[in-house]
Amino acid sequence: GQNIDQPTEMTATEGAIVQINCTYQTSGFNGLFWYQQHAGEAPTFLSYNVLDGLEEKGRFSSFLSRSKGYSYLLLKELQMKDSASYLCAVKRNAGNMLTFGGGTRLMVKP
Amino acid sequence: GAVVSQHPSWVICKSGTSVKIECRSLDFQATTMFWYRQFPKQSLMLMATSNEGSKATYEQGVEKDKFLINHASLTLSTLTVTSAHPEDSSFYICSAKGLAGTDTQYFGPGTRLTVL
Repeated sequence: GQNIDQPTEMTATEGAIVQINCTYQTSGFNGLFWYQQHAGEAPTFLSYNVLDGLEEKGRFSSFLSRSKGYSYLLLKELQMKDSASYLCAVKRNAGNMLTFGGGTRLMVKP
Repeated sequence: GAVVSQHPSWVICKSGTSVKIECRSLDFQATTMFWYRQFPKQSLMLMATSNEGSKATYEQGVEKDKFLINHASLTLSTLTVTSAHPEDSSFYICSAKGLAGTDTQYFGPGTRLTVL
């Protein structure tokens, strides 16, 4: 089976930095995705990590450690519009299927 | 690029009727499309994977006779909820994966189904 764990909720202040963690236990790991989802909308792609290390994309960065089964999404210079759910999803083996974690609801306060 | 559309955006129907939801990749060919269901404040749960021209692969616990999936072309997949009941009310989201070499799934805007 698979276990993908994320904190349920987080709160941060506008302009600050927040780190959202994701831990997973799965066989045949073949990549990890982060998606952003605003309430009532579909998820939008943020990042994809398959090798260990940090991937940076503007204000968003994602880190992966395969040996530890751990990833995080780092959001810098938080803006109010960053209030959303952030979904961690694991890809297994060579297939296309993604398994999603429960998502982390981030609330950015002024 | 990589735009996925869904139609309708929302639908309200009576119990016992069937509802068809379309998922289209607008600017790329999707060899594989996925159908997810999301209940309020929960994450996405994969229902089925459909490959163009072949039968869909359903996840455990998803009734294939109730949720009919047709992936007739590289740009269109449809999900039909047959004999819908109130417990089928949910947010249905499709995603599409492009041709070989890209692993990213691109999501449609979702369809909110309410069964009365």
